[in-house]
Amino acid sequence: SAVISQKPSRDICQRGTSLTIQCQVDSQVTMMFWYRQQPGQSLTLIATANQGSEATYESGFVIDKFPISRPNLTFSTLTVSNMSPEDSSIYLCSVYNSPSSYEQYFGPGTRLTVT
Amino acid sequence: GESVGLHLPTLSVQEGDNSIINCAYSNSASDYFIWYKQESGKGPQFIIDIRSNMDKRQGQRVTVLLNKTVKHLSLQIAATQPGDSAVYFCAETLDTGRRALTFGSGTRLQVQP
Repeated sequence: SAVISQKPSRDICQRGTSLTIQCQVDSQVTMMFWYRQQPGQSLTLIATANQGSEATYESGFVIDKFPISRPNLTFSTLTVSNMSPEDSSIYLCSVYNSPSSYEQYFGPGTRLTVT
Repeated sequence: GESVGLHLPTLSVQEGDNSIINCAYSNSASDYFIWYKQESGKGPQFIIDIRSNMDKRQGQRVTVLLNKTVKHLSLQIAATQPGDSAVYFCAETLDTGRRALTFGSGTRLQVQP
């Protein structure tokens, strides 16, 4: 099974600033997914990141607000830009263990609080 | 404390009882359904999945039932243990393209000793 780490695990940020979250996987994967989990809520997909191409964003999420990098097959970053208190959430990355698998593995999440 | 599950419906059961967690999914075209368990401070953990051409699948102490007629999914946990206390989410996906997951709203399971 894939092992995923995220940095930072949590942060408290001031409004108007930006935070970059890192996601590292212990194996090479084609697609990496970024999710947002607002307090007490379910997970919502932000975007899918493929190495060597632009990320695919879901409805309601835009690149200017959530720029994503995917420099190689084991690493991705998500930036939360120009933050407001409404961005306070847990941000999680995930991957499929193999191209044919439906078992998606999640990182531990980054808990972001914007004051 | 952690905020996961604070505002979600809660199912409270006694240790040793069976638990049934329900989920209504949204897309009748979904090919695959998955149950995840999320403990406080952790990412979701895969429990069990079921393909849309099946109506039942069993794992270790867990059973997933799928009723496509009413777009309903359930997770049954046998002999519930305190370690089963967590938030449970169902998720669905299509068998094409990115296979991105769409998550349901979640249920918090509390196991009373």
